[in-house]
Amino acid sequence: DAKTTQPNSMESNEEEPVHLPCNHSTISGTDYIHWYRQLPSQGPEYVIHGLTSNVNNRMASLAIAEDRKSSTLILHRATLRDAAVYYCILRDLGGNSGGYQKVTFGTGTKLQVIP
Amino acid sequence: GAGVSQSPRYKVAKRGQDVALRCDPISGHVSLFWYQQALGQGPEFLTYFQNEAQLDKSGLPSDRFFAERPEGSVSTLKIQRTQQEDSAVYLCASSQGIDEQFFGPGTRLTVL
Repeated sequence: DAKTTQPNSMESNEEEPVHLPCNHSTISGTDYIHWYRQLPSQGPEYVIHGLTSNVNNRMASLAIAEDRKSSTLILHRATLRDAAVYYCILRDLGGNSGGYQKVTFGTGTKLQVIP
Repeated sequence: GAGVSQSPRYKVAKRGQDVALRCDPISGHVSLFWYQQALGQGPEFLTYFQNEAQLDKSGLPSDRFFAERPEGSVSTLKIQRTQQEDSAVYLCASSQGIDEQFFGPGTRLTVL
């Protein structure tokens, strides 16, 4: 599996934007970039995913570098409820997946939101 | 709607005991995954089912770990002769196909 690299932790002030970086220099052409987050004492939850173009949804935005070797998850206004561990994951949803793709998590970035 | 549920939420076992952890996926979801999450770490893949077929069990750490999904819905992860290193949160996830995975709250297993 192609690996991702994320900072261990980040801090943000409440109501401020947060940019969570992820490096994936060995990404392949059919790898999608997925982000999940895990709130304390809960299972991970899906946040957003993309392939090449930037993506927006109600939770966040995903900015993908032109060479796809890095991406950034953007929370536009951090709230206390956004304090969680954020995982950047590559998933091959193309023809090499054999019909499924297990999700390989790293250690993620622990986001602390300061009131 | 109902999400993925897991039971029990907490389990304490004495070393050497067998345990069984249950996962109720979202109705109609074909894919089911089990993960093990140690304290301070990300979830680690254990095994994958497509309906009742176990297509990948490469992440099971030893032959003491066994998973089944006999009717393609509810799944059980069984750990025989538990050891202290088995203490972790066990997460179950389901998905429609290769789409996003929906995770349950996990079962926290503590082996004394």
